[in-house]
Amino acid sequence: SQTIHQWPATLVQPVGSPLSLECTVEGTSNPNLYWYRQAAGRGLQLLFYSVGIGQISSEVPQNLSASRPQDRQFILSSKKLLLSDSGFYLCAWRGQLNTGELFFGEGSRLTVL
Amino acid sequence: GDSVTQMEGPVTLSEEAFLTINCTYTATGYPSLFWYVQYPGEGLQLLLKATKADDKGSNKGFEATYRKETTSFHLEKGSVQVSDSAVYFCALTVPRGAGSYQLTFGKGTKLSVIP
Repeated sequence: SQTIHQWPATLVQPVGSPLSLECTVEGTSNPNLYWYRQAAGRGLQLLFYSVGIGQISSEVPQNLSASRPQDRQFILSSKKLLLSDSGFYLCAWRGQLNTGELFFGEGSRLTVL
Repeated sequence: GDSVTQMEGPVTLSEEAFLTINCTYTATGYPSLFWYVQYPGEGLQLLLKATKADDKGSNKGFEATYRKETTSFHLEKGSVQVSDSAVYFCALTVPRGAGSYQLTFGKGTKLSVIP
């Protein structure tokens, strides 16, 4: 069966520091992968999606970037964090069924101080 | 563009009460409809889905019926439990060709169930 993992689960970082959040999917090949952010009291915001290695689409201009160095690995990064980057970051992959639903990881909570 | 509108929360119910969370949508094409649930501190889990008009999705006592005529997909449960306390998201996907999909979420509804 397919599984998706994110780490770290919790992160507290100072303003201006770098960020790296990692997401790995197992049990499937060539998945479509997604990064969402959920800020406090707000809905889900799509940040990036990837349809293959090295292929990244950005949905909103921001302080963050994404990379896909391997088929089942998706990384969210920042060179210098802002206070507004705080939030709950969710990685997801699209299932193989023809209905397009996503399956989410456990999430990574980032607090920027 | 596509959109999902769900009732604003928070919703607070007593245990064993009846739950309805309203969800309406606008979409071009033929969307599939979903309810996701997010328990505190966790990611989103797919709760149920319906892929065509008049389909009923069901899981863990929750149900939702795809109503094309009213463009709605309301979530219901006959008797809620404290463990149902979570945030519920309504969502839709529309195929965009070549195997790609546009996924749109509602803003979420927080449900608190008190003993």
